[in-house]
Amino acid sequence: AIQMTQSPSSLSASVGDRVTITCRASQDIRTDLSWYQQKPGKAPKLLIYDASRLQSGVPSRFTGSGSGTDFTLTISSLQPEDFATYYCLQDYSFPRTFGQGTRLEIK
Amino acid sequence: EVQLVESGGGLVQPGGSLRLSCAASGFTFNSYEMNWVRQAPGKGLEWVSYISASGSAIYYADSVKGRFIISRDNTKNSLYLQMNSLRVEDTAVYYCATEGGYDRFEYWGQGTLVPVSS
Repeated sequence: AIQMTQSPSSLSASVGDRVTITCRASQDIRTDLSWYQQKPGKAPKLLIYDASRLQSGVPSRFTGSGSGTDFTLTISSLQPEDFATYYCLQDYSFPRTFGQGTRLEIK
Repeated sequence: EVQLVESGGGLVQPGGSLRLSCAASGFTFNSYEMNWVRQAPGKGLEWVSYISASGSAIYYADSVKGRFIISRDNTKNSLYLQMNSLRVEDTAVYYCATEGGYDRFEYWGQGTLVPVSS
């Protein structure tokens, strides 16, 4: 199974900050990666797919990049509603695998 | 409006069985691949199972293989997860999710909680 290593596991930041979350795959997954945001008690929400395509309705301050084994999710200017947990997911092969998550907290 | 509504969760004893359902509406269900994803209390997301749009292709996580069975009824716009030989470590909120273009998990249900405890 492909392992997805996400970092950092937690992050403290302030409104207006630029933050970057990374995900590393244990093998080449091309651009078969998506990013999800989850708030407490809620279902995950799709932000980015195919490594860099912005899901409809998601603010443009979210950007994804990368291919092969290294991927990043960047939030250009944090808003109060962005404080949540973020997960990457590889859909290159089965079993699908998520990163362990990054909890983004208010500083 | 796209809706996915899970049901069937509830307390079950170790070794017991449970069948989860996911009722879909607002989209062409028989055109979408579907997945089950779970989340143990305070933990991250774990992919559980996949079924193709026609039901002809099925995959499972190693942790549930041989115990769980995914199925769908496209005439009823419904997805199912039959869970057998349940273990304490299967305790989680179970979500159904669509898999559309670029294999993105675009739509998710609200989840149903399955506590496994004696």
